[in-house]
Amino acid sequence: EVQLVESGGGLVQPGGSLRLSCVGFGFSFNPHYMDWVRQAPGKGLEWVGRVTNRDDSYTRHYAASVKGRFTISRDDLKNSLYLQMNSLRVEDTAVYYCARDGILGWGQGTLVTVSP
Amino acid sequence: DIVMTQSPDSLAVSLGERATINCKSSQSVLYSSNNKEYLAWYQQKPGQPAKLLIYWASTRESGVPDRFIGSGSGTDFTLTISSLQAEDVAVYYCQQYSVTPPTFGQGTKLEIK
Repeated sequence: EVQLVESGGGLVQPGGSLRLSCVGFGFSFNPHYMDWVRQAPGKGLEWVGRVTNRDDSYTRHYAASVKGRFTISRDDLKNSLYLQMNSLRVEDTAVYYCARDGILGWGQGTLVTVSP
Repeated sequence: DIVMTQSPDSLAVSLGERATINCKSSQSVLYSSNNKEYLAWYQQKPGQPAKLLIYWASTRESGVPDRFIGSGSGTDFTLTISSLQAEDVAVYYCQQYSVTPPTFGQGTKLEIK
C-alpha cells in the first residue's frame, strides 16, 4: 500500500524558515516525479513545486508564488522528499502535502502556520 | 499552465439521486504516447485531506465505491455519483497531471437537498 508521511510543520514567524519532509512507503521513489501541494485554510489545492526523476535530471520547478524562497530536494535512497522554506510569509500558511507524479491522496499533510 | 474549470460551484442533490460534476481543461490532457487521459478526481470532507477517487479519467482507486464514475476525454470530463449517499457530502476537485505544473479545478461543493 502506498503511503506518504509528511512532517516538519509548525508555527513560525514571518521571515522565518522551516524544512518539511515526506517519506514514502510501499513504493520506490526512483521512477517518479515528486511534488509538494498546499491548501490554505478554507481554500483550494495549490501546486507548490516539483522535482523530476533521475532520468530527467532531477529538474526542479516552482510556482511563481514560492520561487526564490522554497527549495525542493529528494533522496531516493531514503525514499524521501524535502521542502526547504525560507522567507516565510503569512500567506504561506497552509497544510502541505507531498504527491507522487502530481497525484495526491496518500498522506495526511503537515500544517505550516506563519504568524507574528 | 492548463486551467481547470469545474461546474457548478455548488450542487444540492436528493439522497439516492444522481449527482454530476463537470470539469473542463483549457487544453487536452491526453498523453499521446500512452493514450491516457491524465485527469484525476478527489473528494475532500471537512478537516480531512483530499482522497483520490479516480485517475486516468475513469479508473477508480482501490476501495472507492462503484457509484463514483469518471468519464470524458480530451478537454471535457465528468464525475457522476450514481446514487447519492449521505457520506458523499464533500468538496470535489478535478486535476490534470499531464504537464507541469499539475493544476486543480476550483472545487465543487456537494450537499444534500
